[in-house]
Amino acid sequence: ETGVTQTPRHLVMGMTNKKSLKCEQHLGHNAMYWYKQSAKKPLELMFVYSLEERVENNSVPSRFSPECPNSSHLFLHLHTLQPEDSALYLCASSQEATTNYGYTFGSGTRLTVV
Amino acid sequence: AQTVTQSQPEMSVQEAETVTLSCTYDTSESNYYLFWYKQPPSRQMILVIRQEAYKQQNATENRFSVNFQKAAKSFSLKISDSQLGDTAMYFCAFMKHGGANTGNQFYFGTGTSLTVIP
Repeated sequence: ETGVTQTPRHLVMGMTNKKSLKCEQHLGHNAMYWYKQSAKKPLELMFVYSLEERVENNSVPSRFSPECPNSSHLFLHLHTLQPEDSALYLCASSQEATTNYGYTFGSGTRLTVV
Repeated sequence: AQTVTQSQPEMSVQEAETVTLSCTYDTSESNYYLFWYKQPPSRQMILVIRQEAYKQQNATENRFSVNFQKAAKSFSLKISDSQLGDTAMYFCAFMKHGGANTGNQFYFGTGTSLTVIP
């Protein structure tokens, strides 16, 4: 049990599909994050939620739509993706958005867009 | 802008030996935090060690230690008595405080793939 659970573990979707990634934490953390991990590139921060409010949106295309219904759950809704969106999507959480102690990560969803 | 550079894409080490992974960063901040994360094949990023920039003493966690050279902006990770379970991608990360409305800012390197050879 990692503390941060992501589902599904793998996802293959067509460019016209709509799908959602789910992230769940029961660590009592108040901040949650979506990162994109592509090969040979640094992790890219996509979204930050603090106390269920979005506080950061790093110029992410609108085909990615986050949702944070409560402090334990975070979703990433996907629609009309492009092949270059294929990557590992990591969710993370922290006690608060200004923590000094780093993040707890999930095991990611490996997304392939065909 | 902050950048984190890991110049060794791949490294290998014999089991029980010692290996050092390098990391340099660029920043104009005076107060920040540095981290090493490990990502094994299970894909979960696991915190290995953390260093506060205002502390001169190098952080140590069991077989893992860092050599933090603030003036040189260098933050290398030393793994002693390497074990097969240490095989993973290792990411160096820099964090500076953001405001309460934006949160902290994390910057990651591109990673070093470490293989421990039996």
